[in-house]
Amino acid sequence: NAGVTQTPKFRILKIGQSMTLQCAQDMNHNYMYWYRQDPGMGLKLIYYSVGAGITDKGEVPNGYNVSRSTTEDFPLRLELAAPSQTSVYFCASSYTREAGVGKLFFGSGTQLSVL
Amino acid sequence: AQRVTQPEKLLSVFKGAPVELKCNYSYSGSPELFWYVQYSRQRLQLLLRHISRESIKGFTADLNKGETSFHLKKPFAQEEDSAMYYCAPAGGNTPLVFGKGTRLSVIA
Repeated sequence: NAGVTQTPKFRILKIGQSMTLQCAQDMNHNYMYWYRQDPGMGLKLIYYSVGAGITDKGEVPNGYNVSRSTTEDFPLRLELAAPSQTSVYFCASSYTREAGVGKLFFGSGTQLSVL
Repeated sequence: AQRVTQPEKLLSVFKGAPVELKCNYSYSGSPELFWYVQYSRQRLQLLLRHISRESIKGFTADLNKGETSFHLKKPFAQEEDSAMYYCAPAGGNTPLVFGKGTRLSVIA
C-alpha cells in the first residue's frame, strides 16, 4: 500500500495564480484532512471530510476550496495564491474518528512558495 | 475553545539525560490525547496515545486531568530522538488540534 500520496512535493506560484494540491489514499479511510504547517506555528486544519461528498471547514479555510467526489481523493484548491499561503501542506487520513480516534496517516507534504 | 500549549519551542538535552516535553491543553469534555513525532525527512507519525498506556521507543506520557497536562517523558534521551514533537487532543466530533510543537535536540 502506498498510504497517503501527495503531489506535487514542491511548487512555486506567482501571486494570483491557481493550483490544486492532490491527495490520494489507498487505505479506504473515510476521514481525510488538510493541514498547513507554518514555522513555529504547528499544524492548522484547513478543511476536512468525513466521507465522499461531505466536507467541512477547519480553522483556516479562507483562500482554499476542497472537494471529495471519491473516498480515495481529496484535492485542495488555491484559487488566487497569496504570499500568506506560503507553507507546507499536509494531507492526512484516518479510518473513522471513533474507531481510530486521532490515529492519522500523513502524506509527505507539499512545500508551496508564493512569490 | 480548544487549545494546546507546548511552552518550549526548542529543548536541548545531552544524550543519556532525562527529557520531558510539556503539553497543557484546554478542551471541553474528556479528550483523548496523542503525541505525534516528525523525524528529519520523514512523515509526521503517531508516537503514542494516552488510552493505550503504552511505552513507545522508551517514551511515556501520563494524562493529568486535574492539571490538564499530557507531558511526554523519557528517562534517557538518545540521539535518534531528535525530532519535532506535537501534542494533540481529540474529542467529540472535531478533528485533531495540534500544538505548535517542540523541537527536541539531543546532543552527543
